[in-house]
Amino acid sequence: QVQLVESGGGVVQSGRSLRLSCAASGFTFSSYGMHWVRQAPGKGLEWVASISHDESSKYYVDSVKGRFTISRDNSKNTLYLQMNSLRAEDTAVYYCAKDRRAAVSDLDHWGQGTQVTVSS
Amino acid sequence: DIVMTQSPLSLPVIPGEPASISCRSSQSLLHSNGYNYLDWYLQKPGQSPQLLMYVASIRAPGVPDRISGSGSGTDFTLKISRVEAEDVGVYYCMQALQTPLTFGGGTKVEIK
Repeated sequence: QVQLVESGGGVVQSGRSLRLSCAASGFTFSSYGMHWVRQAPGKGLEWVASISHDESSKYYVDSVKGRFTISRDNSKNTLYLQMNSLRAEDTAVYYCAKDRRAAVSDLDHWGQGTQVTVSS
Repeated sequence: DIVMTQSPLSLPVIPGEPASISCRSSQSLLHSNGYNYLDWYLQKPGQSPQLLMYVASIRAPGVPDRISGSGSGTDFTLKISRVEAEDVGVYYCMQALQTPLTFGGGTKVEIK
């Protein structure tokens, strides 16, 4: 069965960096697009970034462009989110999600999430 | 960016009764291939979101047939024919037509 396990979250000071990882198993990782979605405390879902199966296409929400970088290592079945210049408003649970297809469409499996807290 | 608007914000339901959630998009979600790129997700209390419906009306694997999706263009509806206790949680619609992918604000379904 599909499993997505996020790690790398924690408490970090404003302006610092953090790298999230998502270890995938139970499917052919290199065949599917992948996403990061976040949820601020008590709030709804916000899409953050997506990457195509072969890393040829990457997309970001405007609020993280230039600060966050999505990447993947298909040899390690792992998705990453490098987060630089963190701000208080980046505080959220970050979910890794698998796409139903090779590029960007529906998010058919989600991880359990990892908490990122940015302190000022 | 495509703005997604859901209603109602909160929906108290009686087990065994039907329920309906509306989702509207600021632009048409109809692709040239004939599919409407609209998803529905359910986030149960304390859990990660799960995909319920994609391209507006196709159930994800394991979703019971008492849950259905309909609509086209800018107006979409999720219906539960007979609500069960396991259906409580927050329902989100999301457009998958273009990036940035955008979610509706959510509809909280709770047992009355």
